[in-house]
Amino acid sequence: EAQVTQNPRYLITVTGKKLTVTCSQNMNHEYMSWYRQDPGLGLRQIYYSMNVEVTDKGDVPEGYKVSRKEKRNFPLILESPSPNQTSLYFCASSFWGGGEQYFGPGTRLTVT
Amino acid sequence: DQQVKQNSPSLSVQEGRISILNCDYTNSMFDYFLWYKKYPAEGPTFLISISSIKDKNEDGRFTVFLNKSAKHLSLHIVPSQPGDSAVYFCAASALGGGSQGNLIFGKGTKLSVKP
Repeated sequence: EAQVTQNPRYLITVTGKKLTVTCSQNMNHEYMSWYRQDPGLGLRQIYYSMNVEVTDKGDVPEGYKVSRKEKRNFPLILESPSPNQTSLYFCASSFWGGGEQYFGPGTRLTVT
Repeated sequence: DQQVKQNSPSLSVQEGRISILNCDYTNSMFDYFLWYKKYPAEGPTFLISISSIKDKNEDGRFTVFLNKSAKHLSLHIVPSQPGDSAVYFCAASALGGGSQGNLIFGKGTKLSVKP
């Protein structure tokens, strides 16, 4: 089954404790992206990757890191999480950035 | 500045009637438009798209209309069903270069279809 998986689905952590949210796709997509969804703000792009070893900032990259060492995986790293990073995070993938993107189920992160 | 705007945060419609969700864009380079549907606790799922070479695209109960001169698109759902209750996101992209090919999303419209 074609899908984008994210782990964990739910995470509660404390300020400053490094965490990684994993994302994996099995559709051989070249493009992958991370979004955060906040009430009243819709979906905002954090980082995206056009291909392996190619990543770039989206609209709200501050406080986040990503890497793309393999085509199928695109982890999101929060080196020192802060409460303003409490949000719902979605990973997505597609053949190209402007086309139909397939989204993961989301990761709800709470930073206290 | 928002390039894709959904000015109605919410919409309530009676079951069986038509739902019309609106979306405006400002970037004239956009030439591909998509609608996504999102249920609570799930990721957004692709619903329907339209290229700028068309002004209408239908898929079952869903029709998207594009008015390029007004930079406006709308999603029509006929007839509306309670299962259509969700948040709908409009998104746009440019097939050409310059925008790096990313999807730009609106803030979403929450549709409630009442039985």
